[in-house]
Amino acid sequence: EVQMVESGGGLVQPGGSLRLSCAGSGFTFSDYWMAWVRQAPGKGLEWVATIMQDGGEKHYVDSVKGRFTMSRDNAKNSLYLQMNSLRAEDTAVYYCARNIFEGVTADWGQGTLVTVSS
Amino acid sequence: DIQMTQSPSSLSASVGDRVTITCRASQDISNYLAWFQQKPGKAPRSLIYAASSLQSGVPSKFSGSGSGTDFTLTISSLQPEDFATYYCQQYYVYPPTFGQGTKVDIK
Repeated sequence: EVQMVESGGGLVQPGGSLRLSCAGSGFTFSDYWMAWVRQAPGKGLEWVATIMQDGGEKHYVDSVKGRFTMSRDNAKNSLYLQMNSLRAEDTAVYYCARNIFEGVTADWGQGTLVTVSS
Repeated sequence: DIQMTQSPSSLSASVGDRVTITCRASQDISNYLAWFQQKPGKAPRSLIYAASSLQSGVPSKFSGSGSGTDFTLTISSLQPEDFATYYCQQYYVYPPTFGQGTKVDIK
């Protein structure tokens, strides 16, 4: 069974940093593009970032460029999102997602809540 | 960025109804269109990709069609477990963008 489990969310002050992790299981992690998608409270879905199988290609939404860094460790079947200079508008549930092709999301984790507030 | 517009924003339907949701892209996206279902407090579930291909495990009561700028998601016979919010998403170009969602609730 394909499974992704996110961790690392929590309450952080504006300007602070947080590192999200996503552990994948039930599939060959290194074979797939992976993505982060977020959802602000009561709002719709927003794509955040995508990373290629070997980490050699990454894409980010403009609003997080220069502040967020996506990475992966295929030996540990893990995906990461380093979030710096956090803002109130980054408050959201962050979902880890497995893409069966570039851009095509097939499976989702349960999400981890990030709250940016003083 | 490509803007995705869904209609209606919400609809009320009865069990057994045939339901159609429309998604329009602000420019031609070929068939690079996906649909997702989300229930309150839960992660999204992937339903369809490439406009009309069902994701693994998705029942055939869900179907998708369209290409270019206009797309539809159809649920052939609405069941209690289908009451949820549905999102379309284009992945033709970065950044991938979602529609605002269509909430389907019980009439």
